[in-house]
Amino acid sequence: EVQLVESGGGLAQPGGSLRLSCAASGLRFSSHAMSWVRQTPGKGLEWVSAINDRGDSTYYADSVKGRFTISRDDSKSTLFLQMNSLRVDDTAIYYCARDSPVCTAWGQGTLVTVSS
Amino acid sequence: EIVMTQSPATLSVSPGGRATLFCRASQSVSSGLAWYQQKPGQAPKLLIYDASSRATGLPARFTGSGSGTDFTLTISSLQSEDVAIYYCQQYNHWPPGTFGGGTKVEIK
Repeated sequence: EVQLVESGGGLAQPGGSLRLSCAASGLRFSSHAMSWVRQTPGKGLEWVSAINDRGDSTYYADSVKGRFTISRDDSKSTLFLQMNSLRVDDTAIYYCARDSPVCTAWGQGTLVTVSS
Repeated sequence: EIVMTQSPATLSVSPGGRATLFCRASQSVSSGLAWYQQKPGQAPKLLIYDASSRATGLPARFTGSGSGTDFTLTISSLQSEDVAIYYCQQYNHWPPGTFGGGTKVEIK
């Protein structure tokens, strides 16, 4: 059974940073592209970022480009999202998902709150 | 950016009844469309990809159809466990993969 477990969410101040992690099990992690998708009550689901299976191509939504960095460690079957220069409107539940552009399996999400 | 519009916002259907959900793209996305189901308190789950292909293990009562700009998700015989919010996502013009605003399906 595929399991994706996000961690690293929490409260951050505007302008601050957080690093999200997604630990994967039950899949051949290195064979899959991976995605981050976020969800807010007001804006619904928003695709954030993706990385290919080799880790040499990354993609970002315009709203996070230049502030967020996606990466992966295949030796640890872990996906990361480094979030810098956080804004209030980055507040959301962040989901890790297997594959891209279609998200074939999702984690339970981690809540990021950006507030002063 | 492609805008995805879902209708209706809320759909109330009797148990065993048919639920028909609509998703419209602001321009053609060919067959690059997926449907996801999100039950209360849970993460989204993939139901349909490539407009009409079922995800592994999906019950046959779920059917996706359409191409271009207009798509439909049909639940042929609504069960109580189908109560959820359903989202469409286009990925023909990716990135980004834009989502619709969702349709909430309720039991009447």
